[in-house]
Amino acid sequence: GAGVSQSPSNKVTEKGKDVELRCDPISGHTALYWYRQSLGQGLEFLIYFQGNSAPDKSGLPSDRFSAERTGGSVSTLTIQRTQQEDSAVYLCASSLLRAEQFFGPGTRLTVL
Amino acid sequence: AQSVAQPEDQVNVAEGNPLTVKCTYSVSGNPYLFWYVQYPNRGLQFLLKYITGDNLVKGSYGFEAEFNKSQTSFHLKKPSALVSDSALYFCAVRDREGTYKYIFGTGTRLKVLA
Repeated sequence: GAGVSQSPSNKVTEKGKDVELRCDPISGHTALYWYRQSLGQGLEFLIYFQGNSAPDKSGLPSDRFSAERTGGSVSTLTIQRTQQEDSAVYLCASSLLRAEQFFGPGTRLTVL
Repeated sequence: AQSVAQPEDQVNVAEGNPLTVKCTYSVSGNPYLFWYVQYPNRGLQFLLKYITGDNLVKGSYGFEAEFNKSQTSFHLKKPSALVSDSALYFCAVRDREGTYKYIFGTGTRLKVLA
């Protein structure tokens, strides 16, 4: 079956521009997570969605970051007015309740 | 608050020797524990998990991990390392009574030398 997909795989943008990153989770997975992985670093939690509950946004680093999940499926992470420190690999994962996460291949964001 | 510690940035082991990648955790309740592996230029792959039951859990590629509640540890082990095991390994924890948020360790780079 299809795994978690993310698009684009690579995104190069100029400082100050807005970007949108997309995640398509595994069908039927109720939980969806966004993480950020900087070069050589661990995973930094950003946000998660669980069913129809309010998302946990506690990991978003600033108000320039936002995310939505439409219809309990596809999610979009938006970064407004990008900064060079936003450069990283953004990973999406989905899971069933209390189960392991399945990760997408990530979007590599480069802010020039 | 939940936390995970992977005290070693890198572990080197000779091929054929046993390997251990360490992980300790802190949660307010009982944990769900996970190990993931990240090969170069690839996404994270699930290796194994502890949810309940037997403290020794077996996972993919011959890996296993032992849940030790008294030491709050969940070390990853393999009896005989392969060069192809060289990768970045992440431990993760979730408080089963708490939120659905997973906390990941900083990762341990395993290098298996031929």
